[in-house]
Amino acid sequence: NAGVTQTPKFQVLKTGQSMTLQCAQDMNHNSMYWYRQDPGMGLRLIYYSASEGTTDKGEVPNGYNVSRLNKREFSLRLESAAPSQTSVYFCASSEIGQGSSYEQYFGPGTRLTVT
Amino acid sequence: KNQVEQSPQSLIILEGKNCTLQCNYTVSPFSNLRWYKQDTGRGPVSLTIMTFSENTKSNGRYTATLDADTKQSSLHITASQLSDSASYICVVPYNTDKLIFGTGTRLQVFP
Repeated sequence: NAGVTQTPKFQVLKTGQSMTLQCAQDMNHNSMYWYRQDPGMGLRLIYYSASEGTTDKGEVPNGYNVSRLNKREFSLRLESAAPSQTSVYFCASSEIGQGSSYEQYFGPGTRLTVT
Repeated sequence: KNQVEQSPQSLIILEGKNCTLQCNYTVSPFSNLRWYKQDTGRGPVSLTIMTFSENTKSNGRYTATLDADTKQSSLHITASQLSDSASYICVVPYNTDKLIFGTGTRLQVFP
């Protein structure tokens, strides 16, 4: 039981390049999330998927797109990377929505640098 | 404005000592409050989730308290160990589908 896995662990991009961050969970959770974590700031929600087939914007969605491929997988795409997107990205999942008391499980993170 | 504020920003203690981390929130309506531990280079891991009816909750050497009237929570670590070195993040849900994360307290435990 791996929990939440993310690939890649590290990535360096040039401005304007695109890439997709992959996330998968094996806990049969309905809800999945993408966050970014920047120095001196709390985690901020980029996008989330309350259930398979649905996605919604979070606090900082600009410059990102997501795909809930199936119940297990939730990917985050940067179409044209910018230096402001340099950050650590975390995927998370929970049985139901964030506001509930259900625990949220995080992946190990992807450290992205855009030059 | 819905906010979660933590103090101190950083803390250094000696192994074996106790410490207390603080969290103040202004989120309303309140449903629950969570404490997460984040080791360097890793994702956050849940320590405890407290609902408005719970005043105290323990998880091993970690004890969280909640005062819903003053909108304050604390995380007390007893007999600290080197492995307690991490960032501790306070999180409060806002509306039904959003979480507000504090900026965390970075704890360093030295031998």
